[in-house]
Amino acid sequence: GENVEQHPSTLSVQEGDSAVIKCTYSDSASNYFPWYKQELGKRPQLIIDIRSNVGEKKDQRIAVTLNKTAKHFSLHITETQPEDSAVYFCAASKDRSASKIIFGSGTRLSIRP
Amino acid sequence: EPEVTQTPSHQVTQMGQEVILRCVPISNHLYFYWYRQILGQKVEFLVSFYNNEISEKSEIFDDQFSVERPDGSNFTLKIRSTKLEDSAMYFCASSVFGGNTEAFFGQGTRLTVV
Repeated sequence: GENVEQHPSTLSVQEGDSAVIKCTYSDSASNYFPWYKQELGKRPQLIIDIRSNVGEKKDQRIAVTLNKTAKHFSLHITETQPEDSAVYFCAASKDRSASKIIFGSGTRLSIRP
Repeated sequence: EPEVTQTPSHQVTQMGQEVILRCVPISNHLYFYWYRQILGQKVEFLVSFYNNEISEKSEIFDDQFSVERPDGSNFTLKIRSTKLEDSAMYFCASSVFGGNTEAFFGQGTRLTVV
């Protein structure tokens, strides 16, 4: 069935360094890939998304890349700050009515001061 | 900024009891969803709803679950006879269009079955 794998499950980086989270998806029909940030006890919040017709998208310190052939996509956070500490989920969805979002298992990112 | 609102924020219920979780999606959104997240785990899809009917449901969404849009604003999830393993955070979400567009999540209802 549809599946999204996410690695690593935990990631600790020094403040100011970069963090990279990687995901793979199984359903080749997936064409929308959102990334969510979830702080403890809070709702998932969309931080960036990418559609299958582009290979890369950037928004300030956050960038996502997509390799459709390999069914890989990644989140890159540069110049990390303490407020970047959270759980990050990658996800995949298809372009059709009421399409569900399939979430990865999450990455707990900790920023060391 | 418009947001999805859910009530209650926390519900404690005894095993075997019925619970109804309530959501008010963003007003111009047409697609509605329920997800759940067991503590420390990933967010799992339960059901999607469009045009007053279920579009898709997961294996988790068995006969104990039902959804309803009783009026023009509310979207509810009912669990008929709760089990201990139903304890989780339940998120409602809505989107203007379906797949390939941003889904906005509510703040969640933490359901604790004792």
